[in-house]
Amino acid sequence: GAVVSQHPSWVICKSGTSVKIECRSLDFQATTMFWYRQFPKQSLMLMATSNEGSKATYEQGVEKDKFLINHASLTLSTLTVTSAHPEDSSFYICSTRGPRDTQYFGPGTRLTVL
Amino acid sequence: QQQVKQSPQSLIVQKGGISIINCAYENTAFDYFPWYQQFPGKGPALLIAIRPDVSEKKEGRFTISFNKSAKQFSLHIMDSQPGDSATYFCAAGGAGSYQLTFGKGTKLSVIP
Repeated sequence: GAVVSQHPSWVICKSGTSVKIECRSLDFQATTMFWYRQFPKQSLMLMATSNEGSKATYEQGVEKDKFLINHASLTLSTLTVTSAHPEDSSFYICSTRGPRDTQYFGPGTRLTVL
Repeated sequence: QQQVKQSPQSLIVQKGGISIINCAYENTAFDYFPWYQQFPGKGPALLIAIRPDVSEKKEGRFTISFNKSAKQFSLHIMDSQPGDSATYFCAAGGAGSYQLTFGKGTKLSVIP
């Protein structure tokens, strides 16, 4: 399957700061990437769909001004959590859309906001 | 409205036994049904997937059974091993969208 990397794998930050998470598709060009968040012992919740060269599409209830998504190239999408607060602490996972609707997931980024 | 219902929430199976996880969907336009395996602190990994044109797909010890009329599909893990202990998510996609809708997950524990 496709290889997707995320950086960093974990991050701890102070409340009010911004954190950027990178998602890279390593072995194929991804015009579409997805960002999910996952709380402990829960399922994956889609936050937004990132399209290369255009604005991201956010799911209902996700603040687009708080979770900034940039998909400037075919292999890189970034998620910036602005003015992070403790309730933003979660496991953030990206995925790339592969052939025939297949999605390949990155290893995830654990965000802890103090 | 949850579009993919997964059961059971947790499952304990003895080594060598068969693990069975079930999912049901509502949207008849779905045409892609993958299963993902997730270990703690890791991202989900695609395990096996099926499309509605077949009723069963087998890859090694993993088999998906698909019942289109009942709008149900299931994952069978034969000869379950302790290394299979993980959380398994079913999902459904297609329907003109690239998005996947996930079940709530099943935590599988395989005991020696």
